[in-house]
Amino acid sequence: DSGVTQTPKHLITATGQRVTLRCSPRSGDLSVYWYQQSLDQGLQFLIQYYNGEERAKGNILERFSAQQFPDLHSELNLSSLELGDSALYFCASSYMQDYGYTFGSGTRLTVV
Amino acid sequence: AQSVSQHNHHVILSEAASLELGCNYSYGGTVNLFWYVQYPGQHLQLLLKYFSGDPLVKGIKGFEAEFIKSKFSFNLRKPSVQWSDTAEYFCAVNGGPNTDKLIFGTGTRLQVFP
Repeated sequence: DSGVTQTPKHLITATGQRVTLRCSPRSGDLSVYWYQQSLDQGLQFLIQYYNGEERAKGNILERFSAQQFPDLHSELNLSSLELGDSALYFCASSYMQDYGYTFGSGTRLTVV
Repeated sequence: AQSVSQHNHHVILSEAASLELGCNYSYGGTVNLFWYVQYPGQHLQLLLKYFSGDPLVKGIKGFEAEFIKSKFSFNLRKPSVQWSDTAEYFCAVNGGPNTDKLIFGTGTRLQVFP
């Protein structure tokens, strides 16, 4: 157990639907990062939150959004899902000065 | 923009063989460099990291990496691999100055046969 909790572990949904992925960071970590891992694209940075505020944005589609709540957990919302959105979605957390990430176990999303 | 290249996509070794995985990055300024490992079905775990100082960094499980600034490289090495080292290995670099966002390479899949 890395200390970063992601739920659910697996998600199967249909095209056009909307899902929410949840991440609880390691205790004490203020930053949360979301990554998408697919076979052809590798690990792609989506977005970072620090202490409730958006800090950096990567290759995140407009259909995707995220937020970090006062208790520091984060949610990644994926809408109007397409087959190509099928991937592993990882959350990681870090304490700002540490520069090392702790990863969660990921959510495997399958869009059918 | 910062980028990371891992040229070895798939490496197959026998136990006790030596390992070197290549990693090159593009940013010419101050960088923080990392190697992560992902065992089958598991999350990414930090193997080692370089921030400054001695360019030869030792990590967990007998792995080490050497930072060569002139070559923009941070290659991962292990003198003698074991079957349990079978995993995917990712090199990562911070995305530029004033950011702790990490940019990952596409990964190298290592298979070690007994």
